[in-house]
Amino acid sequence: DQQVKQNSPSLSVQEGRISILNCDYTNSMFDYFLWYKKYPAEGPTFLISISSIKDKNEDGRFTVFLNKSAKHLSLHIVPSQPGDSAVYFCAASSGAGSYQLTFGKGTKLSVIP
Amino acid sequence: DAEITQSPRHKITETGRQVTLACHQTWNHNNMFWYRQDLGHGLRLIHYSYGVQDTNKGEVSDGYSVSRSNTEDLPLTLESAASSQTSVYFCASSDGQPTDTQYFGPGTRLTVL
Repeated sequence: DQQVKQNSPSLSVQEGRISILNCDYTNSMFDYFLWYKKYPAEGPTFLISISSIKDKNEDGRFTVFLNKSAKHLSLHIVPSQPGDSAVYFCAASSGAGSYQLTFGKGTKLSVIP
Repeated sequence: DAEITQSPRHKITETGRQVTLACHQTWNHNNMFWYRQDLGHGLRLIHYSYGVQDTNKGEVSDGYSVSRSNTEDLPLTLESAASSQTSVYFCASSDGQPTDTQYFGPGTRLTVL
């Protein structure tokens, strides 16, 4: 059973507009969430993270929102740029001392110039 | 600059052969991980290590083994390759805290014929 779900396999957005990528989780023990970005033929790279004690974390054009009651998080990219076109993975970990990440299936973002 | 490398980048082998994928990191990180990425599954954890002589099974460990004889390397061995193990394999490493970022290598594309 998938514990981290990204229900949209793909998303297309016009350059300059907002991109919103969504992620749902089922494991109540998850307390740390991350987004990774992946270009073709490269390894994933860390983008942004959020602890369960927060509901928002911002880094430049990227903001992650966490709604614990709904077990939902989202990544907002504003404004979207063509270089943001990549696959975005949501990941989660649980418990102090746990280094293991559980990943979603990914969402392919295409930013159209 | 510190980095994490994987070799080979591409490998074609036959069913039943033993295959070893190399992972080397120069960050002096304690934690190292192996994932596989398949269409429709995202990244799934195969094995992980929290230090020298420590190895642990992940979600999809059957048919794989690892050994950690030093800090820098975590080779992944497929004892008897199967077509179901055709995949892209990523190695990652992280430092001492559970919330420390995992840094990924560029990946190895393995094809088992």
